[in-house]
This record gives sequence, structure tokens and C-alpha cells, in this order.
Amino acid sequence: AQSVAQPEDQVNVAEGNPLTVKCTYSVSGNPYLFWYVQYPNRGLQFLLKYITGDNLVKGSYGFEAEFNKSQTSFHLKKPSALVSDSALYFCAVRVPSGGYQKVTFGTGTKLQVIP
Amino acid sequence: DTEVTQTPKHLVMGMTNKKSLKCEQHMGHRAMYWYKQKAKKPPELMFVYSYEKLSINESVPSRFSPECPNSSLLNLHLHALQPEDSALYLCASSQAGATNEKLFFGSGTQLSVL
Repeated sequence: AQSVAQPEDQVNVAEGNPLTVKCTYSVSGNPYLFWYVQYPNRGLQFLLKYITGDNLVKGSYGFEAEFNKSQTSFHLKKPSALVSDSALYFCAVRVPSGGYQKVTFGTGTKLQVIP
Repeated sequence: DTEVTQTPKHLVMGMTNKKSLKCEQHMGHRAMYWYKQKAKKPPELMFVYSYEKLSINESVPSRFSPECPNSSLLNLHLHALQPEDSALYLCASSQAGATNEKLFFGSGTQLSVL
């Protein structure tokens, strides 16, 4: 079964410092991995995805993620955190399906950027 | 237009009421989804429509009834709900027939069942 795990419920980081939000995956076959962000009282917004190719994927709002096959990880990173980055972050994996996107989400990590 | 619009934003209903949630998108997406999200939890898939046909029902109770009247609209009809059904209901859409495309989410309907 395809699944992702986010080991941290919350990550605190000072504004201006680099941030990392961790995700590990368990899939059979090639992994199709995603990061989404959710601000309070809003739907989820797509940040980035890894399908194939370069292990470093760049996304929206200055975020990037590093795919590591040997460690089965897909950690989200940003060189310099902003207070406005404070939100709930979900890692997700696409489950093989028909012509639609069936994804399984991780449990989410709350990012708190401290001024 | 890259938005998924959901109405209403908030809904309070009694256990004997009948209400409907509405979702609309004009991106030409032919796959549409309903998710349920409890506070501080990940979204859980409820239903998937592909080309206006129900493709997935994740064993959702019959008190939730989805409807896709055309390629731009998705409804969720609610009847005889329970207090534990209180949650944020999210609609999403994506291109159909394409692999690994992102989901576009609406802002959700916050539902409270009294």
C-alpha cells in the first residue's frame, strides 16, 4: 500500500532560519509525491511534486523538496523562513488509479515561524 | 480562472434537516472530489467523479449523497446527519485522464451538526 509518514506534529523555527519539514514514504513502484500547504480556514494549496528527474524539486513561495530514494524521504525545505509560512503542511503520495488523482495524505505538520 | 468555489462557507444544521453543499469550477477539469477534514487531521477522500460519473465511493454513509449535474458543478446532499459529521468539507478538482496532476481545492464548507 502507498503511504507517507510525517514524524513531527509541529516544527518551530525562527524567522530567517532555514526550515525542514520531514516526510518519509512507502510505495511499490515509482513514487509520485506531493507537498500541500493549508492556511487556517482554507483549502489545501499545491506547493510542489516529484515524479521523476532531478532529486531537488523547486516549488511555490521559495519552497523546495529533496527526494532521497535510499532513505525513502521527501523532506520539504526553505532557506529562510517567513512568519507568513506558518501553516499546516501535508505530504502526499499518489495511489495508482484511473484517470483521476487519488492521493493519500500524511498526518500533517504544523509549522510555526517565530518572529 | 483557477479557482474552486464552494458555498456556503459555513453551515449549521440539525439532525433532521436536509441541506446541500455546492462546488463549482471553470478550469475544464473533468475529475472532481469531495473530502472530509476534521480539525488538525488530514483530508479523507469521500467521493470521486470522473467525466461526471461516480468513480469512487469510499464507503461513505448513505446520509451523504453526491451529485455531479454537469462538468463544472459538484453537489453534496446531506440528510439526517450526526454530530460526528461536523467537519470541514473540501471540494477539489483536477484534470482527468492525466497522471500526477495537482489537485485544486476550494476553501471548504465548515459544517456543524447540532
